This record gives sequence, C-alpha cells and structure tokens, in this order.
Amino acid sequence: DAMVIQNPRYQVTQFGKPVTLSCSQTLNHNVMYWYQQKSSQAPKLLFHYYDKDFNNEADTPDNFQSRRPNTSFCFLDIRSPGLGDTAMYLCATRGVGGNTIYFGEGSWLTVV
Amino acid sequence: ELKVEQNPLFLSMQEGKNYTIYCNYSTTSDRLYWYRQDPGKSLESLFVLLSNGAVKQEGRLMASLDTKARLSTLHITAAVHDLSATYFCAVDRDGNQFYFGTGTSLTVIP
Repeated sequence: DAMVIQNPRYQVTQFGKPVTLSCSQTLNHNVMYWYQQKSSQAPKLLFHYYDKDFNNEADTPDNFQSRRPNTSFCFLDIRSPGLGDTAMYLCATRGVGGNTIYFGEGSWLTVV
Repeated sequence: ELKVEQNPLFLSMQEGKNYTIYCNYSTTSDRLYWYRQDPGKSLESLFVLLSNGAVKQEGRLMASLDTKARLSTLHITAAVHDLSATYFCAVDRDGNQFYFGTGTSLTVIP
C-alpha cells in the first residue's frame, strides 16, 4: 500500500490561477519535503518541515507556500503560477534519524 | 552553496559493457543515496550508503562511498537494456536537508 500519497496526480491550471497540491503519509514521519522537478532536470528542494518547523530554501520563490496542519498532511500552494512552474512536484517523508526517504508518486502540474 | 555533481550527464553504452557513474559533493556528509528514475515516474531507491568505505551491490549495480574524497560511484556490470533510466545521487546535509545530484541519463543499446 502506498505510504506517501499525492493528489492530484495530474493538474492543468491557467496562468495566474492558484493551485494547491496535497501530500499525505501513513508513516507518522516527522520530516516532510517538497521538491520541484522540471523536465530533464534533477529534483530541486523547495522546503521541508521538521514537525511544525518550516524550512524554506533560500532560492524558493515567494510564489510557493506550504502548510502542514498535522503530521499526516502537507500542502504546496502556488499562489500565481507561471508557465515556468510547469513541473512534477514530489513529496517525501523521513523519520527522525531515519535512513530511508519515502517518495510519493508525484503531482504533474501544467500551467497554460 | 552545496553542490552535488554527477558525471557523465549522459551515457550511452552497449549491452554487456561495464561503466561507472561518479557523484561528487561539496558538503560534509556521511550518508549518500542512489535513486533510479524512469521517464514520467517518481524516484526508486537503489542504495543507501551510511559510512566511509560502504559498498552495496544489487544485481548488476554496485555503489561505493568515500567520504574523505566526497565521492560516490555507481558501477554498472554487463549492462542490459532494462537498466536504461536516469540515475541520481543525493546527499544528506545535517540529517534533514536532502539534495540531489545533476543526474545521469543512461541508455543501454542492444
């Protein structure tokens, strides 16, 4: 059974129209990550949570926000998507001190 | 700024041949990960290397870690078509931040 579930798997949105991607986990892990992966590029870390502590990467655009209302759920909000935000967005989790990182199946976002 | 670099970025090899992918990183880290990604798919974990000198093997793939040199290698033995994919190394910084290398796109030609 999938342990990190991302929704929606595929989303097409219009330029400038806010979009929210969700991630849920059944592992009770403390750490959750959001990555952006554009075509033919490596996954790029946007931010991560350690429990409720939010850690933003220095080069993550302000257009990207995140919420973690509880241990199980994490959301990625893109306030005003641009064409350059077309990408796969990956959620991942990790237990404290854990060596294994669990990835979701990814959410494909297309901005038109 | 943390850098995780792989080479080569693109690799085309014939079936049956051997080759090595290199991963260099700029931060102090005792943990190094290798992932495989097929087109349009998420990441599949291959290896987790936890200490200097660690070596792990699975099938035709073998990974090693030299933390002093900040270098990991992924060696492919007698390549087969099914190994065609993109391979990423990833480095753990401070136990929470996790950064990927530039990726190596491997094509195995019959």
